[in-house]
Amino acid sequence: AQKVTQAQTEISVVEKEDVTLDCVYETRDTTYYLFWYKQPPSGELVFLIRRNSFDEQNEISGRYSWNFQKSTSSFNFTITASQVVDSAVYFCALSEANYGQNFVFGPGTRLSVLP
Amino acid sequence: DTGVSQNPRHKITKRGQNVTFRCDPISEHNRLYWYRQTLGQGPEFLTYFQNEAQLEKSRLLSDRFSAERPKGSFSTLEIQRTEQGDSAMYLCASSLYPGQGVTGELFFGEGSRLTVL
Repeated sequence: AQKVTQAQTEISVVEKEDVTLDCVYETRDTTYYLFWYKQPPSGELVFLIRRNSFDEQNEISGRYSWNFQKSTSSFNFTITASQVVDSAVYFCALSEANYGQNFVFGPGTRLSVLP
Repeated sequence: DTGVSQNPRHKITKRGQNVTFRCDPISEHNRLYWYRQTLGQGPEFLTYFQNEAQLEKSRLLSDRFSAERPKGSFSTLEIQRTEQGDSAMYLCASSLYPGQGVTGELFFGEGSRLTVL
């Protein structure tokens, strides 16, 4: 069955520090998709990135980077030089291509960036 | 139309009453999902549609919950005989499914917050 674990419940950093949010997943499928979403205090979930299981290339987008490792079933998210506006709850999610295709979300990590 | 629209945004009701939420997805999206989120938790899957067909429903979903998407456009989620445990944020999301198992990302609405007194 699908499962997503985000072991870090809350993280606090000081502005300009780098921070990594961990995500570990379980799946029975060979084709699957991984996602990260941001939920700021306003409440609406915002899509950040989508990765398919065949593409293990790491990705960088501005201050954001993602490290996908199939060997450890992990899809970690790093924010470089954090800013106060990065304060939010971040969710990792998994969707299997061949079993139901619903999205399973992790419990989220609350990131607080202090000025 | 630039995003997923949900209404009402807030609903306060008394235990035992029925409530209905509406979701208007992004117009070209063929998939529509309903999730529930309680404080401090991640979104919990309820059900999803591809066009007008309901393809999957969570086993955790009580039979008091029913969802429809009659013409493959907007969707409604009805909760009958509400209980205090139903208090949550109900999230709707849509996505484009191009077929062959390729999964597009979900775009979420702002949610409908239900409070059952």
